[in-house]
Amino acid sequence: EPEVTQTPSHQVTQMGQEVILRCVPISNHLYFYWYRQILGQKVEFLVSFYNNEISEKSEIFDDQFSVERPDGSNFTLKIRSTKLEDSAMYFCASKAGQYTEAFFGQGTRLTVV
Amino acid sequence: KQEVTQIPAALSVPEGENLVLNCSFTDSAIYNLQWFRQDPGKGLTSLLLIQSSQREQTSGRLNASLDKSSGRSTLYIAASQPGDSATYLCAAMYNYGQNFVFGPGTRLSVLP
Repeated sequence: EPEVTQTPSHQVTQMGQEVILRCVPISNHLYFYWYRQILGQKVEFLVSFYNNEISEKSEIFDDQFSVERPDGSNFTLKIRSTKLEDSAMYFCASKAGQYTEAFFGQGTRLTVV
Repeated sequence: KQEVTQIPAALSVPEGENLVLNCSFTDSAIYNLQWFRQDPGKGLTSLLLIQSSQREQTSGRLNASLDKSSGRSTLYIAASQPGDSATYLCAAMYNYGQNFVFGPGTRLSVLP
């Protein structure tokens, strides 16, 4: 069964360092998302991406964040200068259509020390 | 501001019981609502998606209902099993956004 794949599963980084989280969405999907979940809190929306551009972003998604779809399969989230409060589980999701079922990856646990 | 709430926050039941998890959302202008399962430290597994035009969706032992006018959705789990133990999240997609708004989840424990 097709699935969303995220790498790495766990990343530890020093404060101020840049990190890139990688996702391979389901192959025929057109809509891509990043969400995050701080430990013990709700899942929060970060950004949605369609037709090679950001279609919506939350207040969390400030200038330190960027997304890219560098080729036909990968979808990346970059955090330029990590802060302690960026520590969270980051989830990638994809959908075939705007209002169809969303499929999430297993997440990348980011720990900023 | 859209908000999604879920009650109860935690639920513990003996194996074999039927149970209902509740999800409430502000603003009835939703396109759809999706239920997910999350195991500790893991990703989100899709269970059911209900479009705003539907009232129910069923998958195996799971049945989800949607009442837009009252801002409520329920997830019914029949004949619960220990393997059903997990956190169950509901997420609402609103007409004027492309993202989900998630509830805090209900942590379910099914005791053998």
